[in-house]
Amino acid sequence: QKEVEQDPGPLSVPEGAIVSLNCTYSNSAFQYFMWYRQYSRKGPELLMYTYSSGNKEDGRFTAQVDKSSKYISLFIRDSQPSDSATYLCAMRNTGNQFYFGTGTSLTVIP
Amino acid sequence: GAVVSQHPSWVICKSGTSVKIECRSLDFQATTMFWYRQFPKQSLMLMATSNEGSKATYEQGVEKDKFLINHASLTLSTLTVTSAHPEDSSFYICSALGEDQETQYFGPGTRLLVL
Repeated sequence: QKEVEQDPGPLSVPEGAIVSLNCTYSNSAFQYFMWYRQYSRKGPELLMYTYSSGNKEDGRFTAQVDKSSKYISLFIRDSQPSDSATYLCAMRNTGNQFYFGTGTSLTVIP
Repeated sequence: GAVVSQHPSWVICKSGTSVKIECRSLDFQATTMFWYRQFPKQSLMLMATSNEGSKATYEQGVEKDKFLINHASLTLSTLTVTSAHPEDSSFYICSALGEDQETQYFGPGTRLLVL
């Protein structure tokens, strides 16, 4: 079983839709949770970072962590064509070891 | 803040030559940097972790004599692909652990093509 599972998609939605991206994990030692956005041929860009269960909001983006279920989500409201990218979830344990999901490819259709 | 640069952004070289890629943290000091490799439509593959002033820790299956990593200062790490071959062609991305020691900040990547 992989440490982090992420549906690769691809996911295609119309402009303005709410997007839900998810990851599950198996290691309860993970304490820090991140979402990165990667445009084609570019390095990943940190979008959201959280270390506690619950929701964290930043503009159109909401990160949700449920440690009891070992499940994290990223919601994008009012999706825009510029949101079209690959979204990577990432997790870190207290020993500075990072684990990345395989990424979900998102296309927002105008 | 937390900007990481890479140079060059792309490079084409002949088989057998060596290529050096630089990774710099521009506005913060990074005691730890990471080097990744990414194939098209695939996720990041961690190659090695480098800590300033000490030897890099390579992931299983990564040849340390092939991929030389130097982290000589708190703002610069270099990856040298020695005697490059076509199978080394890939997208190489570095990242730096932020000063909060909690998140990674990625560079824009270097595309390497070995002919």
